Amino acid sequence: DIQMTQSPSSLSASVGDRVTITCRASQGIGNYLAWYQQRPGKVPKLLIYAASTLQSGVPSRFSGSGSETDFTLTISSLQPEDVATYYCQRFNSVPFTFGPGTKVDLK
Amino acid sequence: VQLVQSGAEVKKPGSSVKVSCKASGGTFNIYTFNWARQAPGQGLEWIGSIIPLLDTPSITQKFEGRVTITADKSTTTAYMEMNSLKSEDTATYFCSAGGWSDYWGQGTLVTVSS
Repeated sequence: DIQMTQSPSSLSASVGDRVTITCRASQGIGNYLAWYQQRPGKVPKLLIYAASTLQSGVPSRFSGSGSETDFTLTISSLQPEDVATYYCQRFNSVPFTFGPGTKVDLK
Repeated sequence: VQLVQSGAEVKKPGSSVKVSCKASGGTFNIYTFNWARQAPGQGLEWIGSIIPLLDTPSITQKFEGRVTITADKSTTTAYMEMNSLKSEDTATYFCSAGGWSDYWGQGTLVTVSS
């Protein structure tokens, strides 16, 4: 099976900072990657699909890029409501493996 | 699309649990319904999926033989049943639907304890 890794596992940043999270697949997955935000105690929410397409209603400060094995989620200007854990998930073939998550909090 | 899951469950080790996911809105038959779980304080783990129109589930190897995923088109409800429960299966179980898990249920806490 294709494994997914994320880095860093956690980070602290200030309001207004640019935040970058990386997701790596052990084999090429094309652009079959999604990003989710899970706020504490809440249900995961789809942010980005097809590696770079912003889900409707998601603020434009979120963006995604990459293909095949290397992907990035960027928050251009961190806001207090962005405190959450972020997960990538591949969809190229089953099993639709999640990455281990990146926890983002405020400095 | 709205997904409403069944309520919390407390189960004994070795028993079974069946979690339901009732869908409303959208076109039930063509959506991919995914099941994932999240143990307390841990990350998300994908369990399996089903497309009701095809009625052929895919289940990750870790759970093969222990998990059954079904979909009832007449009631627009997807189900995930897990048997031979262990304490390590204590988790919140989520259903999601859509090509990219666009929609999520509220989660069902399953506690396995003697």
